[in-house]
Amino acid sequence: GEDVEQSLFLSVREGDSSVINCTYTDSSSTYLYWYKQEPGAGLQLLTYIFSNMDMKQDQRLTVLLNKKDKHLSLRIADTQTGDSAIYFCAESITDSWGKLQFGAGTQVVVTP
Amino acid sequence: DTGVSQDPRHKITKRGQNVTFRCDPISEHNRLYWYRQTLGQGPEFLTYFQNEAQLEKSRLLSDRFSAERPKGSFSTLEIQRTEQGDSAMYLCASSLAVLGEPLHFGNGTRLTVT
Repeated sequence: GEDVEQSLFLSVREGDSSVINCTYTDSSSTYLYWYKQEPGAGLQLLTYIFSNMDMKQDQRLTVLLNKKDKHLSLRIADTQTGDSAIYFCAESITDSWGKLQFGAGTQVVVTP
Repeated sequence: DTGVSQDPRHKITKRGQNVTFRCDPISEHNRLYWYRQTLGQGPEFLTYFQNEAQLEKSRLLSDRFSAERPKGSFSTLEIQRTEQGDSAMYLCASSLAVLGEPLHFGNGTRLTVT
């Protein structure tokens, strides 16, 4: 199967860290992506990780991948009100690597 | 690089009418994708092109849907005889044809069928 699951909602205080979790089922996934979507807009690529990596850091973003448990997380340090959005994780598979399988998204609300 | 551009941003149509959407990818990208997103869900793959060749179509793409990319640059997605269930955000994305290259999405066309 090719299901990607995410928790639906996360509330976080401004300045705290946010952690958004994702699980996937396809063991042949090669790349995993995080996208951000603001209301009425398209998807903005945040970061991505190759499946042979455990961690990737990019400024305030840290991606952790546990391939054994098929678990992916995105940590946002020093969360700001502008980080309020829906966050999607997505997986691609070697044989169809442009055909992404998305989760339903996690709505992150940042409160002052 | 102006990013992926989609037109129109919004389209309201009556059931049974035909609609056409356009996507202009990032200029050096030879892959172009169409996805559909309904409220509260993640995007779902519809089809993709490499240059002008349509390489894969999802079973979600009924025979009322047709996509073209005649010169390997912009693409159009046409929906014939629209139904209320076609109401969704239609997203276009592009990428280089290199394994792992991420997809870059446009802002989408929101279709409402009344």
